[in-house]
Amino acid sequence: EAGVAQSPRYKIIEKRQSVAFWCNPISGHATLYWYQQILGQGPKLLIQFQNNGVVDDSQLPKDRFSAERLKGVDSTLKIQPAKLEDSAVYLCASSPALSTHPLHFGNGTRLTVT
Amino acid sequence: AQTVTQSQPEMSVQEAETVTLSCTYDTSESDYYLFWYKQPPSRQMILVIRQEAYKQQNATENRFSVNFQKAAKSFSLKISDSQLGDAAMYFCAYRSAFPGLNAGNMLTFGGGTRLMVKP
Repeated sequence: EAGVAQSPRYKIIEKRQSVAFWCNPISGHATLYWYQQILGQGPKLLIQFQNNGVVDDSQLPKDRFSAERLKGVDSTLKIQPAKLEDSAVYLCASSPALSTHPLHFGNGTRLTVT
Repeated sequence: AQTVTQSQPEMSVQEAETVTLSCTYDTSESDYYLFWYKQPPSRQMILVIRQEAYKQQNATENRFSVNFQKAAKSFSLKISDSQLGDAAMYFCAYRSAFPGLNAGNMLTFGGGTRLMVKP
């Protein structure tokens, strides 16, 4: 079984630029999550999808962050414009259904904003 | 809101020895799940062990076991016969058993403990 794929692995941008991260969940997993992990902290949920619908985006800074999962498979997380405090690892995870465990995580994208 | 606290930023253990990582949490709920995740340098979060709050018996997975003290809201992880491959960040996490219609798998993580294993 292939795992959760994320790209790019690393990204360095200047503040006020835009950036996008891509996630391909495990085949057949209906639920997809984006987490933000700031250095020295635990991951924090940004948004979760059930198929192509948003289940919870209450912690997503909607003035600059957006995410979509148009066909209920791949997902893209975008930041525009980026701020210094957005420097973090962005982790994608998937699970077969909304309340099942465990979550399967990808290797994340490390974003550095200078 | 639930909070999860890991008071040990770093821990060190000699190979083959036993180490215990601490976790406390705050909740007003009676039913919930607790987890320990391992994050090696690859950054992938890997589930180590899971405990249902309604179960009195402590969960075990091979060399990993927990000490779940519900009244004290404590959930520690014991790693026996430590191996070099156990070196990683360890995160304690909480999830409500009844998160509501839309909360699904919302996990609340602690700040993590870095475990170093000395050969």
